[in-house]
Amino acid sequence: QVQLVQSGAEVKKPGASVKVSCKASGYTFTRYFMHWVRQAPGQGLEWMGIINPSGGGASYTQKFQGRVTMTRDTSTSTVYMELSGLRSDDTAVYYCARDLVASATLAQLAYWGQGTLVTVSS
Amino acid sequence: DIRMTQSPSSLSASVGDRVTITCRASQSISDYLNWYQQKPEKAPELLIYAASTLQGGVPSRFSGSGSGTDFTLTISSLQPEDFATYHCQQCYSTPCTFGGGTKVEI
Repeated sequence: QVQLVQSGAEVKKPGASVKVSCKASGYTFTRYFMHWVRQAPGQGLEWMGIINPSGGGASYTQKFQGRVTMTRDTSTSTVYMELSGLRSDDTAVYYCARDLVASATLAQLAYWGQGTLVTVSS
Repeated sequence: DIRMTQSPSSLSASVGDRVTITCRASQSISDYLNWYQQKPEKAPELLIYAASTLQGGVPSRFSGSGSGTDFTLTISSLQPEDFATYHCQQCYSTPCTFGGGTKVEI
């Protein structure tokens, strides 16, 4: 069965960087786009961007341009999301989520990781 | 960016009630509209995609309708396990955007 397992919670100081991993299993890793979505405490969902695990190309929402980098390692079926220049309002749960349909970027997010809490505090 | 507006932001209902949640897009998104259910401290789950297609394993009491700018999620007979927050989402164009969520409470 499809599983997305994310790395554990992080506590970072303002200005630091964080790198969250998402290890996929149960399907052909390179066939499905992966998205990153975050949720600040008590708030709604915010889409951050998408990565194509096949070629490695990524696209980010403008809000995070210059601060976020999404990468993948096909040898371990893992995608990564690195966010730099952390601020207190980056405190959130970060999710990876996989598209329902192979080779599509419809953001029909059928499978989700368990979430990774990133806390930014001095 | 396309703005997604959900209403109401919260509602109180009882088991067996019919519940309707609406989602409006700031411009036409055809049927590129998805609905998610999220329970406390859990990741969202896909309920409906392409405005009206039920994701596998989702009970038939859930249904979705609409196209263009106006969409509806209906729960025909609310069950105890349906008390949760519901989110709509578009990815007609990037950035994909979510509505603010609707919390369904007792």
